[in-house]
Amino acid sequence: GIQVEQSPPDLILQEGANSTLRCNFSDSVNNLQWFHQNPWGQLINLFYIPSGTKQNGRLSATTVATERYSLLYISSSQTTDSGVYFCAVHMNSGGYQKVTFGTGTKLQVIP
Amino acid sequence: NAGVTQTPKFRILKIGQSMTLQCTQDMNHNYMYWYRQDPGMGLKLIYYSVGAGITDKGEVPNGYNVSRSTTEDFPLRLELAAPSQTSVYFCASSYRRDRGSDTQYFGPGTRLTVL
Repeated sequence: GIQVEQSPPDLILQEGANSTLRCNFSDSVNNLQWFHQNPWGQLINLFYIPSGTKQNGRLSATTVATERYSLLYISSSQTTDSGVYFCAVHMNSGGYQKVTFGTGTKLQVIP
Repeated sequence: NAGVTQTPKFRILKIGQSMTLQCTQDMNHNYMYWYRQDPGMGLKLIYYSVGAGITDKGEVPNGYNVSRSTTEDFPLRLELAAPSQTSVYFCASSYRRDRGSDTQYFGPGTRLTVL
């Protein structure tokens, strides 16, 4: 099956710093999503981005489907950005859509 | 819209007991999914459904069963609970596009402990 790898696995930032999270995948995909899992466990959609670049406030994401990677940028980080960031890829499998999650990047933003 | 709702929020089972985790969505989504998340790990797909009456296995289906009799509901059944099934279970749904699925929306999760 498809492999989805995220880096770095852990990241500690000073409040106000910028960061880039990476998601590599081993096969062609139809779609890709980025999620934030907050400290209470809730999974929150950030971006649905099969290709190109999108921005939402301090967050932006870029997916280069032909090179099989996606990047999530966090600018001016805040303590509320702490949590785990997952990418998830969607692909056809036997005529249906399957979704595979990466292992996540655990982010801690310290004041 | 309530989105995706899951019940119960927490449950403790004894080894060998059975239970059903409930999941309901009110967004008229075609696709529904069940994932489990073990401590410190990512999510793994248990089962998914592309519409009422159609279900298929994901990565880790052993020990679980599902049904999809309506568009709204996608219950997950554990028949003989084992300690290895201690996990947080998430239900999700999405709308199917022509060339793929749309954004996934997740429920709040059910934390299950098997002792």
